[in-house]
Amino acid sequence: DIQMTQSPSSLSASVGDRVTITCRASQGISNYLAWYQQKPGKVPKLLIYAASTLQSGVPSRFSGSGSGTDFTLTISSLQPEDVATYYCQKYNSALLTFGGGTKVEIK
Amino acid sequence: EVQLVQSGAEVKKPGESLRISCKGSGYSFTSYWISWVRQMPGKGLEWMGRIDPSDSYTNYSPSFQGHVTISADKSISTAYLQWSSLKASDTAMYYCARHSRGQQPIDYWGQGTLVTVSS
Repeated sequence: DIQMTQSPSSLSASVGDRVTITCRASQGISNYLAWYQQKPGKVPKLLIYAASTLQSGVPSRFSGSGSGTDFTLTISSLQPEDVATYYCQKYNSALLTFGGGTKVEIK
Repeated sequence: EVQLVQSGAEVKKPGESLRISCKGSGYSFTSYWISWVRQMPGKGLEWMGRIDPSDSYTNYSPSFQGHVTISADKSISTAYLQWSSLKASDTAMYYCARHSRGQQPIDYWGQGTLVTVSS
């Protein structure tokens, strides 16, 4: 089974900071990688798919990159409403797998 | 409007059986797969498995194979997640979610069903 490893598991940054979250697959998954945002007490929301395609309605401060085994989610200027846990997920096969999540807080 | 509406919260005792549901509307139910995702209290998202409602073909995560059963009734656009004998460790929020056929991400989620298993 392909494992998805996110880092860091949590981070604290100031409003306006650039934030980068990393997701690593144990085997290559091409660009079949999605990022989800889950705010406290809420349902997860799709942010990015195909590693770098922004879902409709998602603010442009969010971006994704990568291919193969290494991927990143970047928030170019952190806003208070971005406080959430972010998850990567692979979908290159019949078995979908989430990363462990990265909790983003405001310093 | 695409909606996945899940059944309400459940409180059960260890050893009891349970089936929770997820009703799709606003789209062609048999054109999309339904996945189930577990979130234990304070923990991350875990993909459990999925079903193709058109033919009830299923795939399970190895972690959940044999512990739960996923099924669907396409005549009423509803998918199910079932346990035959609950354990306290099954206490969690369970989400159903939709994704297109082929290699596609989840695009819509149900509101979640909280299952509490306690003696």
